[in-house]
Amino acid sequence: GQQVMQIPQYQHVQEGEDFTTYCNSSTTLSNIQWYKQRPGGHPVFLIQLVKSGEVKKQKRLTFQFGEAKKNSSLHITATQTTDVGTYFCAGRYGGSARQLTFGSGTQLTVLP
Amino acid sequence: DAGITQSPRHKVTETGTPVTLRCHQTENHRYMYWYRQDPGHGLRLIHYSYGVKDTDKGEVSDGYSVSRSKTEDFLLTLESATSSQTSVYFCAISESTNSPLHFGNGTRLTVT
Repeated sequence: GQQVMQIPQYQHVQEGEDFTTYCNSSTTLSNIQWYKQRPGGHPVFLIQLVKSGEVKKQKRLTFQFGEAKKNSSLHITATQTTDVGTYFCAGRYGGSARQLTFGSGTQLTVLP
Repeated sequence: DAGITQSPRHKVTETGTPVTLRCHQTENHRYMYWYRQDPGHGLRLIHYSYGVKDTDKGEVSDGYSVSRSKTEDFLLTLESATSSQTSVYFCAISESTNSPLHFGNGTRLTVT
């Protein structure tokens, strides 16, 4: 099956530092979604990117979709303790429900 | 949060016993999914449903069966639980295959 590689697996940052997680696919994606899961919680949808080169912002979060639609990134500026959690990307390869593949996630720890 | 209820929230069972997990939604969404979450693997699709009595296999369907007799309910059954099925199970719903997923709170299953 299709795979979405996500790095890094873990990231520890000091509060106020920036954070970035990356997702890469070997094949072209039709779109990519991002989710956040707080410790002990469930994944919560953040955003969906569809267009080549698309950039979307949500306050301190910036999401990018690569020109070739094979990679994506999530960047958090000036992290806060509320940003703690695991961030997942999920790449869609086609129209079938089974064609959404999650990355393994990046677990973010923010040290006060 | 979307109206999704998973039951039970926690379950401990012995190897070889049958187990059924329930997902109930109040959103009238067409699509329902069962995922399992294991460290280092992200979220992997077990089965999904695209309507009443319409189900299909996901990436890791061996050892699992599902049923959907009503729009609002999606059941996941482990016919004979094994220790490798110890995991956190999430139900999710979506309006269409391209829509974001909304997850339930999860069921933590331990097979001893």
